[in-house]
Amino acid sequence: NAGVMQNPRHLVRRRGQEARLRCSPMKGHSHVYWYRQLPEEGLKFMVYLQKENIIDESGMPKERFSAEFPKEGPSILRIQQVVRGDSAAYFCASSPRQGPNQPQHFGDGTRLSIL
Amino acid sequence: AQKVTQAQTEISVVEKEDVTLDCVYETRDTTYYLFWYKQPPSGELVFLIRRNSFDEQNEISGRYSWNFQKSTSSFNFTITASQVVDSAVYFCALRDNFGNEKLTFGTGTRLTIIP
Repeated sequence: NAGVMQNPRHLVRRRGQEARLRCSPMKGHSHVYWYRQLPEEGLKFMVYLQKENIIDESGMPKERFSAEFPKEGPSILRIQQVVRGDSAAYFCASSPRQGPNQPQHFGDGTRLSIL
Repeated sequence: AQKVTQAQTEISVVEKEDVTLDCVYETRDTTYYLFWYKQPPSGELVFLIRRNSFDEQNEISGRYSWNFQKSTSSFNFTITASQVVDSAVYFCALRDNFGNEKLTFGTGTRLTIIP
């Protein structure tokens, strides 16, 4: 299966720890998007990246959250000093090119739980 | 700014009944794309359909059909002869054309099919 791969599927952290979520896009895809789904809510856009560049981070919280998509390796969403409110499902999507007609293929998500 | 409204939070129908999920959207753009995704209890996001704003023909795929009406800014989804496997949360989403790569999601409709 050459779909979007996210790991881990489930992640448990204590308050104050760091959480690192990984996303490997589909083969040939160089555009990555991160979305957050709070309990009982729809998905909210966080950040859009191309290889080595952040294109749109308008949905990222101003503090503690960062994202990268290096030349080699997966995209990483990093949350520092996690708090209870960070508990959510984090979805990654990828597309082959820019453009609203390009489909975004989603991974299965990472469920982050903060104790 | 874009907005997607799914007014029905939860719907329950008895198996084999037809059910329609409503989606109303707002956008200033003349070119945009509309999507439906299914999120079963296992949590992954399953792509169902993409429709561009220039194509107002209704679409049918098996038991699924979509009614796109630009005049009322609606993109409704009907499941005919519902089955228990259709139980899921369904999300409508919008993507516009002016360099804005993100998907804007509605809050979802939880559909329960009662056997």
